[in-house]
This record gives sequence, structure tokens and C-alpha cells, in this order.
Amino acid sequence: GEDVEQSLFLSVREGDSSVINCTYTDSSSTYLYWYKQEPGAGLQLLTYIFSNMDMKQDQRLTVLLNKKDKHLSLRIADTQTGDSAIYFCAEVSPNFNKFYFGSGTKLNVKP
Amino acid sequence: NAGVMQNPRHLVRRRGQEARLRCSPMKGHSHVYWYRQLPEEGLKFMVYLQKENIIDESGMPKERFSAEFPKEGPSILRIQQVVRGDSAAYFCASSKMSAGGTGELFFGEGSRLTVL
Repeated sequence: GEDVEQSLFLSVREGDSSVINCTYTDSSSTYLYWYKQEPGAGLQLLTYIFSNMDMKQDQRLTVLLNKKDKHLSLRIADTQTGDSAIYFCAEVSPNFNKFYFGSGTKLNVKP
Repeated sequence: NAGVMQNPRHLVRRRGQEARLRCSPMKGHSHVYWYRQLPEEGLKFMVYLQKENIIDESGMPKERFSAEFPKEGPSILRIQQVVRGDSAAYFCASSKMSAGGTGELFFGEGSRLTVL
């Protein structure tokens, strides 16, 4: 569960869609999460997906889960400048003792 | 309905001094996690505590670092004899584990330690 990987940077134009990708390692993870961190602040949970789901949609956010490839993605539709932040994916050990975070993807939204 | 409260937000220490970071979890939460974030890096798990118990400290350095979560009062992360490499943001998160819960972590705003 320790090797959660994400690309470091993504730059998009305002109004476009953003897709942030993540690969994880622990196939027994029950939940997978996306967190958002704004400068100088802590992390806020954006959304999560239960491991028996393929997709979850929540307003502008769409989470896709490919369990076979251990691949998780977050799509932000109609990206706004206020979406500029660092996005972390995370998985949790089955006993919830440890949450493993990726290194974060810094999303830059250009006006 | 206060969130997770961490203090101090910023702490400056000289090499060899001690740093104490405090975390008050959200009301009703009895599970506390500490994470460290180095500049431009992700969060690294340090320790997971419940009231009066250390459940998992596999991410804690074996020396100089200790954590507690007493029956009363905040959780404390203590770093003795700090070195420059300890400079980082330390985040506390709390959770309310319940049957069927999603294990959502609620994070504090972090304590930023600078070692001179």
C-alpha cells in the first residue's frame, strides 16, 4: 500500500476538463479517496469510491476505478481557477490503520 | 462544530531543542493520525493512535520522536533534539470509526516546523 503514484503537475485552461491519474498497490483497499490541498492549508476530502464500484459522479467530479489495473482517476469538468490546488489520491489499509497518500498532483488552471 | 485544531501553526526551533505539536481531534473522534509532509512531497504516515493507545507507529523514526493521545487533552507529537531534516509540515487527522463508515479523515491545517 505504500506506493501510491501520481504525476506531479497538470496544467489546463479554464473551462476545460482536468483528469488526474493515480495508481495504487493494495488490491485489498476498501476505499479510495481524493483529497484537495490549497496553499498553506490541510487536506480536504473531495470524494471517495468504494472498491466494488467502477464509477462515482458528484457534480463536476467523476471518479473512475479500474481494479484490475489498480488505476484511479479524478475528472473535473469545467475546471475553474479556484480548482488550482494539489490533489492527492489515497488508499487505506483494510483495518484502517494506515492511509497511504500519493505525492500529489499540482493542478494549475490558466484563465 | 470546530474541526481538527492544531497548534502551534508555525514553530521555529534551533538544533537540539525540543518541539511539541498539539492536535485536538474533532468532537466525537477518538482516532488520531499524524503525517509529515516535506516540501514538494506527499504525506508520509507516522503514527495512528486511539485514546491512551498507540495502534501503529510503524512510520515513526525510532529515535527522538514520540506521540501520545491521553484520556484527557490533545494528542501530542514530540520531537526531541531536533535536526534540520525535521523541518516539515506535520499534519494531524482524526476519524470517527463506526460500522459501515468510510474512514474519512478530517485534517487540521498543519504545524510547520522550521529548524534553524
